[in-house]
Amino acid sequence: NAGVTQTPKFQVLKTGQSMTLQCAQDMNHNSMYWYRQDPGMGLRLIYYSASEGTTDKGEVPNGYNVSRLNKREFSLRLESAAPSQTSVYFCASSDLGRFLSGNTIYFGEGSWLTVV
Amino acid sequence: AQTVTQSQPEMSVQEAETVTLSCTYDTSESDYYLFWYKQPPSRQMILVIRQEAYKQQNATENRFSVNFQKAAKSFSLKISDSQLGDAAMYFCAYIRIQGAQKLVFGQGTRLTINP
Repeated sequence: NAGVTQTPKFQVLKTGQSMTLQCAQDMNHNSMYWYRQDPGMGLRLIYYSASEGTTDKGEVPNGYNVSRLNKREFSLRLESAAPSQTSVYFCASSDLGRFLSGNTIYFGEGSWLTVV
Repeated sequence: AQTVTQSQPEMSVQEAETVTLSCTYDTSESDYYLFWYKQPPSRQMILVIRQEAYKQQNATENRFSVNFQKAAKSFSLKISDSQLGDAAMYFCAYIRIQGAQKLVFGQGTRLTINP
């Protein structure tokens, strides 16, 4: 099925470990996003990429790095994980425009990350 | 910066009744999209309805409709004939058309359906 694929779906990390969340979309979208969702809260934007090779900080970028090496893939890296980064992470993609049919934002299924 | 506010952390409604979820937003843009997303316990993000700001007509999708008041920057969701499967978190979201298209979410409203 076409859409946004995130890996891994579940991960447990020890404090100080590093890891990368991978995201890929097969819809030829320009824009890609990484969000985090803490329990009982909305989605907060970590980083945004408008196109290949460009990234922009969102609301909560501290402790994260991102990479948009090509149009399909947008990865999120935790260099030194902290318990405060325990959350559910969502990747999303979009290609909004007034004349595009079916324009919307597509989300991955989420990645559950626990830092102990 | 654009902000989205949902002032109702929780709402409940009797099955088959109608409920309205509120959302306000702040922006200086004239062209943008607004969305309502549903998030069941599985955490999947499901698009419920969207509204283009340049359209005056309110969007409808079956039992779901919106009341879009552009001047008041208000975007409420009405769910008619509520069903048990409607129980979920509902998020209002905003994205502008020009410039950096950062999708901004509200804090969410947890909707409970009472049988």
